[in-house]
Amino acid sequence: DAGITQSPRHKVTETGTPVTLRCHQTENHRYMYWYRQDPGHGLRLIHYSYGVKDTDKGEVSDGYSVSRSKTEDFLLTLESATSSQTSVYFCAISESYRGLNEQFFGPGTRLTVL
Amino acid sequence: GIQVEQSPPDLILQEGANSTLRCNFSDSVNNLQWFHQNPWGQLINLFYIPSGTKQNGRLSATTVATERYSLLYISSSQTTDSGVYFCAVANTGGFKTIFGAGTRLFVKA
Repeated sequence: DAGITQSPRHKVTETGTPVTLRCHQTENHRYMYWYRQDPGHGLRLIHYSYGVKDTDKGEVSDGYSVSRSKTEDFLLTLESATSSQTSVYFCAISESYRGLNEQFFGPGTRLTVL
Repeated sequence: GIQVEQSPPDLILQEGANSTLRCNFSDSVNNLQWFHQNPWGQLINLFYIPSGTKQNGRLSATTVATERYSLLYISSSQTTDSGVYFCAVANTGGFKTIFGAGTRLFVKA
């Protein structure tokens, strides 16, 4: 298994509070991603990073920010959590070679916003 | 952006049966992956297959990129094959990945 951990694995919080999820990798892969998974949907990309301090928006980035100060860590922040952000959040990593890019996923974080 | 459609949405099989899952996509891609999400939520890589055919045990996959579809074959299904199967695609660079809604498979003993 790819060395990807996510913390916390479960979190319950209240509307309006800030929340930070952490993704940590030991593979030294350049690319990291945050997705959310909701019932009836596949995974949807929130943000991704293509290097330290280099990030870009995905499909559903509103209400989320990210930071990557080290190769191994990618943080996802909900500045003011809302009930619509209740979801399962997955981190992924990849290393691109000649335009080909296979992603590997972490175990997920289940976030509940009350 | 790219649209991804998976079919069927749900599938119930008797143990030992074979099945074919389909993934259609609306634009050219140079990255395509199949994943199995087990009942505990873990996403398991099955195939990285932007084109061609690959086999791994009872599973195989074929992507015909020019016709914009990929097929996942499961032979001699087992109860442990239950879960959701996702197709995910991306074009150049492979970063902005789009997932299909998945096929939910239940294999009965």
